[in-house]
Amino acid sequence: DIQLTQSPSFLSASVGDRVTITCRASQGITTYLAWYQQKPGKAPKLLIYAASTLQSGVPSRFSGSGSGTEFTLTISSLQPEDFATYYCQQLNSYPLTFGQGTRLEIK
Amino acid sequence: QVQLQESGPGLVKPSETLSLTCTVSGHYIDSGYYWGWIRQPPGKGLEWIGSIYHSGSTYYNPSLKSRVTISVDTSKNQFSLKLSSVTAADTAVYYCARGGWDQRYYYYMDVWGKGTTVTVSS
Repeated sequence: DIQLTQSPSFLSASVGDRVTITCRASQGITTYLAWYQQKPGKAPKLLIYAASTLQSGVPSRFSGSGSGTEFTLTISSLQPEDFATYYCQQLNSYPLTFGQGTRLEIK
Repeated sequence: QVQLQESGPGLVKPSETLSLTCTVSGHYIDSGYYWGWIRQPPGKGLEWIGSIYHSGSTYYNPSLKSRVTISVDTSKNQFSLKLSSVTAADTAVYYCARGGWDQRYYYYMDVWGKGTTVTVSS
């Protein structure tokens, strides 16, 4: 199985900050990586797939990059509605796996 | 607009079979895409359970494979999850989701149900 490790696991930031979350894969997955946002009590929401393709309707302050084993999700200017937990997911091969999550909280 | 809705018992006894159904609206289940189940234990992260393609092909998480069955009922526009011999460790919020791919064959899971809580307890 491909393991995904996110860092940090917890992040405290302020509105307007630029933040970056990293996802590292235990083996190469080219760019078969997606990012999801999950708010408490809600289902995950797809933000980015193919490592850098923004899902329709997602604000342009979200961006993704990377290939192979290292990927990043960047939020250019945090908005109040962005405080949530973020997960990466690899779709390169079965079984599909998720990172452990990064909880983004307001400083 | 595509919507998914999970349904099924909220309480299952240990050793019994958990059965959930996902009803798809706004999209014909047999017209491409794939369909999956994901779960999230209380306070923990996401775990992929398995997926089924419109062709009927299924893929399961090896950690659950011996206990899982996912099937599609095109007449009802639904797909289902059965998880046998459940224990307290199977207590979680269960989500159904639609998966797709773009013209470059990059995959994603873009539409999710709201989730249903299943507790395993006697």
